[in-house]
Amino acid sequence: EIVMTQSPATLSVSPGERATLSCRASQTVNSNLAWYQQKPGQTPRLLIYGSSTRATGVPARFSGSGSNTEFTLTISSLQSEDFAVYYCQQYNDWPLLTFGGGSKVEIK
Amino acid sequence: EVQLVESGGGLVQPGRSLRLSCAASGFSFDGYAMHWVRQAPGKGLEWVSGIGWNSKNIGHADSVKGRFTISRDNARNSLYLQMNSLRAEDTALYYCAKDIGGEPHAFDLWGQGTMVTVSS
Repeated sequence: EIVMTQSPATLSVSPGERATLSCRASQTVNSNLAWYQQKPGQTPRLLIYGSSTRATGVPARFSGSGSNTEFTLTISSLQSEDFAVYYCQQYNDWPLLTFGGGSKVEIK
Repeated sequence: EVQLVESGGGLVQPGRSLRLSCAASGFSFDGYAMHWVRQAPGKGLEWVSGIGWNSKNIGHADSVKGRFTISRDNARNSLYLQMNSLRAEDTALYYCAKDIGGEPHAFDLWGQGTMVTVSS
């Protein structure tokens, strides 16, 4: 099973600042990586797939990068609605898909 | 309206069985892989099971392998999860999720979830 490790566990950021979240895979997942956003009491929302492709309707301030084992989600200028928990997920190792443990972005 | 609606959750004793259902509407169900993802209270997301568009490609997490079985009925636009030998650690909100493609990738549509509580 590929283990996905996200860091930091919690990131404190002021509105308007840049946020950078990391996701590391225990072995290569090529570019088969997705990012999700989950706000309290809500269902997860797909942000990025294929490491860097934004899903439909996702604002351009969200960007994904990386390949093989190292990935990054960047939020260029945090808006109030961006404070949430973010998860990465690999889909390279079918039939075993795995999520990272999540990174919480909170208001500083 | 494009949506997924789960049902079948509830309180069940350890060792018993439960069958979850997910009704899909508003899209061509038979064109997409589907998944079950769970979230224990206050915890992160855990992929449980996935199934390709034609049921030929099936996968289960190690934590449920041999106990849970995913299936689908494309004629009924429905996804199922048969859960046997339930354990306390299976307690979670179970989401049905639509894949972005016909084989397993990422999930672009989620239901609201159905809660499963395993307790004596």
